[in-house]
Amino acid sequence: DAGITQSPRHKVTETGTPVTLRCHQTENHRYMYWYRQDPGHGLRLIHYSYGVKDTDKGEVSDGYSVSRSKTEDFLLTLESATSSQTSVYFCAISESQARNTEAFFGQGTRLTVV
Amino acid sequence: GNSVTQMEGPVTLSEEAFLTINCTYTATGYPSLFWYVQYPGEGLQLLLKATKADDKGSNKGFEATYRKETTSFHLEKGSVQVSDSAVYFCALINSGAGSYQLTFGKGTKLSVIP
Repeated sequence: DAGITQSPRHKVTETGTPVTLRCHQTENHRYMYWYRQDPGHGLRLIHYSYGVKDTDKGEVSDGYSVSRSKTEDFLLTLESATSSQTSVYFCAISESQARNTEAFFGQGTRLTVV
Repeated sequence: GNSVTQMEGPVTLSEEAFLTINCTYTATGYPSLFWYVQYPGEGLQLLLKATKADDKGSNKGFEATYRKETTSFHLEKGSVQVSDSAVYFCALINSGAGSYQLTFGKGTKLSVIP
């Protein structure tokens, strides 16, 4: 199994509070991604990183920010959590962005905003 | 833009039944196609892939053939087992759009009963 650790695995937070989710990898892969999974929507890309301090927006980036200060860590921050951000969040990594490249996924973080 | 459409679930089958999960895509250029599987409580993992027309991906008894003429990548298995119960996601990477992020379908939940 690819070495991807997400923390925390579960979190309940109140509306309006900041939340940071962490993704840690031991594979030294260049590319890292944050997705959210919601019923009826599959997985949607929030942000991704193509190197240290290099990030870009995905399909559903509003309300989220990311940072990558080290190759192994990719942080997702909800500056002011809302109930619509209740979801399961997955981190993924890939070695390259070639067409046949496999992405490896973490086990997910279940976030509930009350 | 890119999109993936897969059959709505849930799908419930008896053990040893034949499985088909339909997947069609819309993309410019020449996408690579993937099936990912998510077992309960886990992240996604790659099941199989195909990178060009008429390629057949196969793994663990599952197969899918890249059909460019029908823009399809249907997943099949001849005899399902209880352990195949999971959510299956069809996905693509499109090399023609200058972006290599995975685009996922909404997922199809499969339940196999003894």
